[in-house]
Amino acid sequence: EAGVTQSPTHLIKTRGQQATLRCSPISGHTSVYWYQQALGLGLQFLLWYDEGEERNRGNFPPRFSGRQFPNYSSELNVNALELEDSALYLCASSLGLVSQPQHFGDGTRLSIL
Amino acid sequence: AQKVTQAQTEISVVEKEDVTLDCVYETRDTTYYLFWYKQPPSGELVFLIRRNSFDEQNEISGRYSWNFQKSTSSFNFTITASQVVDSAVYFCALIRNAGGTSYGKLTFGQGTILTVHP
Repeated sequence: EAGVTQSPTHLIKTRGQQATLRCSPISGHTSVYWYQQALGLGLQFLLWYDEGEERNRGNFPPRFSGRQFPNYSSELNVNALELEDSALYLCASSLGLVSQPQHFGDGTRLSIL
Repeated sequence: AQKVTQAQTEISVVEKEDVTLDCVYETRDTTYYLFWYKQPPSGELVFLIRRNSFDEQNEISGRYSWNFQKSTSSFNFTITASQVVDSAVYFCALIRNAGGTSYGKLTFGQGTILTVHP
């Protein structure tokens, strides 16, 4: 069974640009979660999508947004990039119940120059 | 609000030593789930175990064991006879089984960096 896949592995952008990160969940999983792992800040919850709907979002500005497609894959978009957006962005998927474990991908390393 | 504390920032041991990683949590909920994840240098978070708040039975899986004590709000993780391949960052996390602003959100501890030397 294929795990959660994320692309690209690395992404280099400059300040003010826009970034799009992609995530394909484990087959059969309907929920996709996004987390930011910035140096010194730990893992911070960004967004949760389930069945195409945004269910919850963390304490991040509106320039962080995303969507979930009918095939349950997801995109995370970050507009007007700032230096502090440099981080590892991790996507996770689960069966949709909060009791179910979230299974993570390898992440996308976003670097802002 | 939920909070997870992993007081040990870094632990260094020699192969074959036993090591315990501490996790203490805070929540006002009566129903919640606790998790441990391993993050090797590759970056992927690997799920290790889930425990629900009503199940205080300890669990053993090979060299790994977990001790959940609701009375002290702790969920500690022990690796017996550690190996170099156990070197990684280990995260303890909590999720509430209810709605609200934390719905669906895993609250992670800051992680413990474990280094096992040969």
